[in-house]
Amino acid sequence: KAGVTQTPRYLIKTRGQQVTLSCSPISGHRSVSWYQQTPGQGLQFLFEYFSETQRNKGNFPGRFSGRQFSNSRSEMNVSTLELGDSALYLCASSLGAGRSTDTQYFGPGTRLTVL
Amino acid sequence: GDSVTQMEGPVTLSEEAFLTINCTYTATGYPSLFWYVQYPGEGLQLLLKATKADDKGSNKGFEATYRKETTSFHLEKGSVQVSDSAVYFCALSYNAGNMLTFGGGTRLMVKP
Repeated sequence: KAGVTQTPRYLIKTRGQQVTLSCSPISGHRSVSWYQQTPGQGLQFLFEYFSETQRNKGNFPGRFSGRQFSNSRSEMNVSTLELGDSALYLCASSLGAGRSTDTQYFGPGTRLTVL
Repeated sequence: GDSVTQMEGPVTLSEEAFLTINCTYTATGYPSLFWYVQYPGEGLQLLLKATKADDKGSNKGFEATYRKETTSFHLEKGSVQVSDSAVYFCALSYNAGNMLTFGGGTRLMVKP
């Protein structure tokens, strides 16, 4: 079974630009979550999508947005990039049924550098 | 709000040494607790989890027990290997592992 895939793996952008990251979950998984990992703030939850609807949201500004398609693939978008947005963005998928036996599986991440 | 605190690293051990990585949490309810591991250049992998008080999670020789009275979930392994070198994250969640709150991570370096 293929794991969670994220594209692209590396991105370099300049301040003020926008960027779109993509995540393909494990087949059959309906929940996709996004996390930001930085040396200063650690791992922080951005948002979760389930059946094309945002189900949970972390404490990030509105410049960070996402969506999920009918095949469960998800994209996240960051507009008006700032230097502080440089980070590793991790996507995770799960069945999303809310049971204690459910497990999140993480992708390798997209490394975003803002210059 | 909820939070997770881990011992700061790096933790440097010799091969076959005993490992303990401390993790304590602050939570308003009764979360599930997790340990994730991140190898260089990779995403996170679930190492083990426990969903209620006194549960013990175990995997690949690693163990952790959910202690509600001390709000702790310390990770232990009896004999570490060089291949265990990685960053370890403690985390909590209220909804089956979605919307995880992570600790700061502890880097483990095992020397031959």
